Amino acid sequence: DAKTTQPNSMESNEEEPVHLPCNHSTISGTDYIHWYRQLPSQGPEYVIHGLTSNVNNRMASLAIAEDRKSSTLILHRATLRDAAVYYCILRRSRYNQGGKLIFGQGTELSVKP
Amino acid sequence: DVKVTQSSRYLVKRTGEKVFLECVQDMDHENMFWYRQDPGLGLRLIYFSYDVKMKEKGDIPEGYSVSREKKERFSLILESASTNQTSMYLCASSLQDGRSGNTIYFGEGSWLTVV
Repeated sequence: DAKTTQPNSMESNEEEPVHLPCNHSTISGTDYIHWYRQLPSQGPEYVIHGLTSNVNNRMASLAIAEDRKSSTLILHRATLRDAAVYYCILRRSRYNQGGKLIFGQGTELSVKP
Repeated sequence: DVKVTQSSRYLVKRTGEKVFLECVQDMDHENMFWYRQDPGLGLRLIYFSYDVKMKEKGDIPEGYSVSREKKERFSLILESASTNQTSMYLCASSLQDGRSGNTIYFGEGSWLTVV
C-alpha cells in the first residue's frame, strides 16, 4: 500500500532555509502530494500541494522529483513560528480509494534563534 | 474562510458510554474524514465519506461508526467507549471533483479521555 516516509525530526537556525524531505516511492499516477503542518493542540494547516511540477506560494516551495517518488518542502527563511510537525500526505483520487489521505509520520521541525 | 467545526474540544467519558463527536463544515464539501492522532502513531484514518449517506472504512474502524445524514455534518460514534479510545480526534473536509488537488481543511481537534 502507498505510504510516505519522513525523518522524525530536523533542526534549523532562524533565517536559514530548511529542506524537509519525503519519500513516496509507491505513489500512483493520480496522487497529489500535499504538505501540512501542525502546531501543538491544533489541527493541521495547509502549506502547499502539487502533482508533477514544482510549486511556489507565499509560505513555501515544493520540489517534486521527476519520477515523483520523492519531494522536498522548502522553507526559504525559517522563523520561530515555523516550528511545527510537518506532514507529507498523498491524496488519492476519488476513483482510487475515494480520495483517501495517506499520512507520513511527520517531521518535527525545531528552529533555533 | 472555510471552517471545519468540531463540537467539543475536550470531553471526559466513562467506559461503556456512547459518545458522539460532531463535525460541521460550511463550504459544501463532498468529502469528510475522521482521524485519530496518538503520540508515535501519527494520524490514522477511522472513516471517510464522499457523499451524503456514503461511508467507507478507513484503517482503524473497529469500535467506531459514523453518520452522514446531511452534507455539512459528519458524526463519529463510539458505541461503547473504552480506555484505548482515549485520543485526539480530528475531522477534515474537502471538495471532490474526481481529482485530488483540492485543499483539505482540518478542524481544531477533540480531545477525548475515557476513564
